[in-house]
Amino acid sequence: DGGITQSPKYLFRKEGQNVTLSCEQNLNHDAMYWYRQDPGQGLRLIYYSQIVNDFQKGDIAEGYSVSREKKESFPLTVTSAQKNPTAFYLCASSTLRTGTGYTFGSGTRLTVV
Amino acid sequence: DQQVKQNSPSLSVQEGRISILNCDYTNSMFDYFLWYKKYPAEGPTFLISISSIKDKNEDGRFTVFLNKSAKHLSLHIVPSQPGDSAVYFCAASAPTGTYKYIFGTGTRLKVLA
Repeated sequence: DGGITQSPKYLFRKEGQNVTLSCEQNLNHDAMYWYRQDPGQGLRLIYYSQIVNDFQKGDIAEGYSVSREKKESFPLTVTSAQKNPTAFYLCASSTLRTGTGYTFGSGTRLTVV
Repeated sequence: DQQVKQNSPSLSVQEGRISILNCDYTNSMFDYFLWYKKYPAEGPTFLISISSIKDKNEDGRFTVFLNKSAKHLSLHIVPSQPGDSAVYFCAASAPTGTYKYIFGTGTRLKVLA
């Protein structure tokens, strides 16, 4: 079955530590995205990538970094520079055809303790 | 500046009645619109879409209406069922070549049995 997998589902981090969230897809989608969800703020775009070894900042990229070394994988690192990292993080993928939507992963809940 | 707005954070409807979820947008270049449904601690799942060349699209109990002149779209669910209780996001994209979607803040629908 094709899909998009995020791991872990729950993650706890101490203040000052970097942490990496995994996102893998076997849908052969060219584009991948990271969104953050906070209560009352909808989904906000952190980073996206349309091709291997290339990625673009979204609306709230500060304090985050990504890599796209393989088409299937788009890990997100939440660095210690991110001031308010506790949130629900969603990874998505899509084709590059106009009018196609995203397939989302099941999300990772990050809590800073 | 919120380009996609869902002004009602929550909505309660009796089972069997119609649910109407609304979404407004500001960018006249948006040409494709999606609705996603999201349960807590899960990723959003695609519900229904509409292209700007149409004003209505139906899929079973779900119908999306687009009013381009008013920059407004709505999702109708008839009849509403308790399993429809979730957060609904509308999303819009423009033909900029980035294939990005901008999401609204979501409306929490509660269907009362």
